Amino acid sequence: RKEVEQDPGPFNVPEGATVAFNCTYSNSASQSFFWYRQDCRKEPKLLMSVYSSGNEDGRFTAQLNRASQYISLLIRDSKLSDSATYLCVGGLNDYKLSFGAGTTVTVRA
Amino acid sequence: GAVVSQHPSRVICKSGTSVKIECRSLDFQATTMFWYRQFPKQSLMLMATSNEGSKATYEQGVEKDKFLINHASLTLSTLTVTSAHPEDSSFYICSAPEGGTYNEQFFGPGTRLTVL
Repeated sequence: RKEVEQDPGPFNVPEGATVAFNCTYSNSASQSFFWYRQDCRKEPKLLMSVYSSGNEDGRFTAQLNRASQYISLLIRDSKLSDSATYLCVGGLNDYKLSFGAGTTVTVRA
Repeated sequence: GAVVSQHPSRVICKSGTSVKIECRSLDFQATTMFWYRQFPKQSLMLMATSNEGSKATYEQGVEKDKFLINHASLTLSTLTVTSAHPEDSSFYICSAPEGGTYNEQFFGPGTRLTVL
């Protein structure tokens, strides 16, 4: 079983729409969680950390549910530039990161 | 944010040759760096943890004699793919935690290796 599992999508949404997706993690020892964004053939870039209380960064909202071991990301008012693959990441206390395979989002005009 | 560079960005080589990939932290020191591999449409898979001044720690299933890691200084780690074969063709990415924000890591731009 993979440590981090994501719905691969793709999620095809029109500009301005709201899109949300989850990921689940199996290692209950994971202490930190992140969403990274990866564009085609590029390296991952940190989008946001995910905190237990939930956090928001502009149009992006992340939630963490430790009891059910899932993390969510919601994108409001989608822009064309939001088209990318979003990687769900869990981290242990030794800096090791476990990546999900990514959820592809395509925003169309 | 911190900057991590990788060189080369792309390499094409013949089967059986060895390829060295460099990962540098440009504006911070990194006692630990990580090497990942990503096949098309798959997640990044951690290959090994590179430790400055000591041996690298390899993940299960990764051959240490095939993927040689040297972390000779606080800003440089190298990954050498020895006797590369077509199945080693992949996107290799390094990362380094800067410290400060717990577990935040900065990724190099990646090296795309194609073995013919």
